[in-house]
Amino acid sequence: GAVVSQHPSWVICKSGTSVKIECRSLDFQATTMFWYRQFPKQSLMLMATSNEGSKATYEQGVEKDKFLINHASLTLSTLTVTSAHPEDSSFYICSADGGQDTQYFGPGTRLTVL
Amino acid sequence: DAKTTQPPSMDCAEGRAANLPCNHSTISGNEYVYWYRQIHSQGPQYIIHGLKNNETNEMASLIITEDRKSSTLILPHATLRDTAVYYCIVRVGYNTDKLIFGTGTRLQVFP
Repeated sequence: GAVVSQHPSWVICKSGTSVKIECRSLDFQATTMFWYRQFPKQSLMLMATSNEGSKATYEQGVEKDKFLINHASLTLSTLTVTSAHPEDSSFYICSADGGQDTQYFGPGTRLTVL
Repeated sequence: DAKTTQPPSMDCAEGRAANLPCNHSTISGNEYVYWYRQIHSQGPQYIIHGLKNNETNEMASLIITEDRKSSTLILPHATLRDTAVYYCIVRVGYNTDKLIFGTGTRLQVFP
């Protein structure tokens, strides 16, 4: 099946710093990728839809200036958490459309903000 | 909001069939039923999807009622590695359409 990778798998940063998370489709091209956030013992919450070559579409309540998304190529989307604070600590997961009406998910990135 | 209703948890003995129900009474004619699962601290894994016919693949079977208001995911011979949260999602079947996750069913397979 289609493979999606994320880097890093985990990151610890100080409050106020910015963190970039990469999402790559390894064996297919994806014009659309999605970013989710998951807090402990909760379900996945969609943050934004990332479209190659255009601006991302953010879900209601998600600050676009805080969560910067760039989808510069058909195999790479990045999520930058700017000025991170402890409440941004979460599990961030991306997915990519892999054809045949199916989305494939990355393994997730665990962000801890001290 | 999620358009599906699932029981919060289920248990299943190893080697037995696990039958996970899902209600989607407001499903539209062009919406598919998708199943994903999430093993602890990993990204969700695609299992199967269908529109109105029953579907089977190497992982599971999907049974959709004739009125399409409910479905059942069947894991024919559950193993301990099938312990996970299972999500039933309805969406239009093209990949630019987002997946909205509900709370899912936590399946515990026991020896």
